[in-house]
Amino acid sequence: DAGITQSPRYKITETGRQVTLMCHQTWSHSYMFWYRQDLGHGLRLIYYSAAADITDKGEVPDGYVVSRSKTENFPLTLESATRSQTSVYFCASSEAGPRGYTFGSGTRLTVV
Amino acid sequence: QQQVKQSPQSLIVQKGGISIINCAYENTAFDYFPWYQQFPGKGPALLIAIRPDVSEKKEGRFTISFNKSAKQFSLHIMDSQPGDSATYFCAASFNDYKLSFGAGTTVTVRA
Repeated sequence: DAGITQSPRYKITETGRQVTLMCHQTWSHSYMFWYRQDLGHGLRLIYYSAAADITDKGEVPDGYVVSRSKTENFPLTLESATRSQTSVYFCASSEAGPRGYTFGSGTRLTVV
Repeated sequence: QQQVKQSPQSLIVQKGGISIINCAYENTAFDYFPWYQQFPGKGPALLIAIRPDVSEKKEGRFTISFNKSAKQFSLHIMDSQPGDSATYFCAASFNDYKLSFGAGTTVTVRA
């Protein structure tokens, strides 16, 4: 199926554990993004990537790691999860600048 | 700090009424101002967008008003319908692919 998919949809993990959220897009868009959504803060950019093997920090990168070995995949890893990382995480891709954003359906992560 | 400030946090409107959401920004380099609509359990989806050389843009029942001198822009939802009940985000970008989002407004349309 064409589009952008995130997995898992829901995840509960314990404090201190490593967890990876997956994002896959089928359009071969150059740009991919990770945002977190929290009540009162809207969506905040964690990391983004302009192409395979090119990544850069966003507004709230601390505690997160990304990689992009293939154009279609952009995993987000929480190296040692903390309760403050409980959030809904959205992946997005774009080929047409800010006009062309398409978001995935999100991953709801709970850190207990 | 948030680069785009959005208000109100939530609003309730009767069916057929007008919903108005306001956003303000500080960075005069912003050159693209989209609005996103998000339904529960879904990702945000582009609703309508405007560039600062235009003061108003209308698409169906949705209108963006833009005031460059005041550094403010707003979304008007005319003839609000229950299906418009969603969270709306304003956003801004300058000459690149990154978007800065407002905090969001939850709109509830009562039948």
